[in-house]
Parts: sequence; structure tokens; C-alpha cells
Amino acid sequence: KQEVTQIPAALSVPEGENLVLNCSFTDSAIYNLQWFRQDPGKGLTSLLLIQSSQREQTSGRLNASLDKSSGRSTLYIAASQPGDSATYLCAVITQGGSEKLVFGKGTKLTVNP
Amino acid sequence: KAGVTQTPRYLIKTRGQQVTLSCSPISGHRSVSWYQQTPGQGLQFLFEYFSETQRNKGNFPGRFSGRQFSNSRSEMNVSTLELGDSALYLCASSLAAGVPDEQFFGPGTRLTVL
Repeated sequence: KQEVTQIPAALSVPEGENLVLNCSFTDSAIYNLQWFRQDPGKGLTSLLLIQSSQREQTSGRLNASLDKSSGRSTLYIAASQPGDSATYLCAVITQGGSEKLVFGKGTKLTVNP
Repeated sequence: KAGVTQTPRYLIKTRGQQVTLSCSPISGHRSVSWYQQTPGQGLQFLFEYFSETQRNKGNFPGRFSGRQFSNSRSEMNVSTLELGDSALYLCASSLAAGVPDEQFFGPGTRLTVL
């Protein structure tokens, strides 16, 4: 059964810092990996989708990488801003899996002004 | 283009009652999935519908059910509510099942069971 782990569970940084969020998954047979952002009490906003054949995706200050063989993904946020404060979730769709997206528990990011 | 919409946004029910939640996917999207989010368990997959057929089902009791209509709108129903059913229920839509692609989520329905 696919399991997704995100480390750290919480992270607090000063504004302007570059940071990396980590995601690992146990079954490397995935279709894709998706990073989301969730603000308190709100739904999920899709940030980046990486297909299994891709190594990375970029959107503005965000860069996500995927190493499928080692079961790891990282989300890099450049020049962090207070507005980046949110919980970041990664999720995978596994080949042959009965579940759609399998989520990690998330990393709660606080960017201090 | 309108995003995924969910109604109602908030619900308060008592134990033993039943509840129906609604989800309208992004126009043109034919796959709708439902997830339950709780502080303890995180996000857990409930079920997925495509062309009015349930394609996948998570590990939830039979009290949780759903359906999809010909216009791709979906409803989920929870019968005989328990305190532990209190959660944020999220639905997500995507273009097509069988071709895993980007999932777009709605704002959720916050269900409180008293």
C-alpha cells in the first residue's frame, strides 16, 4: 500500500529565505505527483503536477523535482514571502492503485515578516 | 472558467441523521473524486466517479455512498452519522479517469456532527 511522508511537519522561516519541502513515497510505480497548498479551513490549490516521466516542473518561485526511483520529491520555494504561509501537501497517483490521490500529512509553513 | 463548487459550505447535524453533499466539477471535467480530511487521519480517498460509474473506492464503511449525474455533477451521502464523521469533505475534478491528470479541488464542505 502506498504511503506518503512529508518532512518536516512544520517549518518557520524569515521572509526572503529559500526553502525546501520534502516528500517521500514507498511505491515508485506512480503515474504522477502533485503538490498542493492549503490555507486554513480552505480547499486545496494545485501548485505543480509532475508526470512520472518528468524530473521537474517550475512555476514562478516554485520548483518541484521528482526522483521516482528513490521515491522522493522536493518543493523548492525561492525568496519566501509571508503570503506563502500555508500547509503544503504532496500526493501521488499509484499505478494499479485503488485510491486516486494518496496524500502526505503536509508541511505547515510559516514565513515571518 | 468557474472552478469546482461544493454546496453547502457548512453543515451541522446530529448523530444518526443522514447528509447529502453536492459537487459541481469544472466545465468539461468528467471525473469527480471525494476525500475526507480530518486532523488525525489527514486526507483520505472516499471514491471516484466517471461517466456516472464508480471507478474506485477507498476504505470507508458502506454508510458512505455517492453518485454522479449525466452532467458530471456528483453527490455523496453519509447515513447514520457518527461523531467521527465530522470533517472537511473535499471533492476534486479532472478531465478524464484512466488518464491520471491534474486534480482540481473545491473549497470543501465542513460537516460537524453533534
